[in-house]
Amino acid sequence: QLQLQESGPGLVKPSETLSLTCSVSGGSISISGYYWGWIRQPPEKGLQWIGTISYSGKTYYNSSLKSRVTISVDTTKNQVSLKLSSVTAADTAVYYCARRSDVLTAFSNRFDPWGQGTLVTVSS
Amino acid sequence: QSALTQPASVSGSLGQSITISCTGTSNDVGSYNYVSWYQQRPGKAPKLMIYDVINRPSGVSNRFSGSKSGNTASLTISGLQAEDEADYYCSSYTAYSTLGEVFGAGTKVTVL
Repeated sequence: QLQLQESGPGLVKPSETLSLTCSVSGGSISISGYYWGWIRQPPEKGLQWIGTISYSGKTYYNSSLKSRVTISVDTTKNQVSLKLSSVTAADTAVYYCARRSDVLTAFSNRFDPWGQGTLVTVSS
Repeated sequence: QSALTQPASVSGSLGQSITISCTGTSNDVGSYNYVSWYQQRPGKAPKLMIYDVINRPSGVSNRFSGSKSGNTASLTISGLQAEDEADYYCSSYTAYSTLGEVFGAGTKVTVL
């Protein structure tokens, strides 16, 4: 069964770069018909889509974060990474990675499964 | 791009049915049959309950059903059980970005 696990520093200083990794087990990241996404949830708030990447490295970002976000994929390690630069307190959130169906070819749109999430706090 | 609009809370008694609404625009819910619903229990990751408006993943109870009319999607939980108490989020594919996704602010379901 496919499992996703986020990892990375739990504390990042303002103006620095947040870096997280999503490790995928129980299946290959290089499977057609699926993308890999990052979603975040500030404390006591709702979910926000950050971006999505294909196993070939094609990326799609939320326009509100696009200038600060980089998502990459390492198929040899079965991992997806997230970098968010120039962070502020507003970037404090639980960050989730999830597999996403390829809506453009599969004509289905869903995030499933999700990783357990990792809390990142931005503070000096 | 604004979040989808959901009621902050919905409550119902054991065995009753409740419906959660999710209102978007013609750029998301109204234009695509790509609405999903997620259940989130405290401290846990969201769990997919409904996708593509009406489809239920394997293992999800048939007490959960989805529908859509115009710019508003709905999640109905019938035969409400104590274990259904959780936050529920809707989401939709959006035209604002290629492969863009917009989420609702979430609805707290309380079982009385």
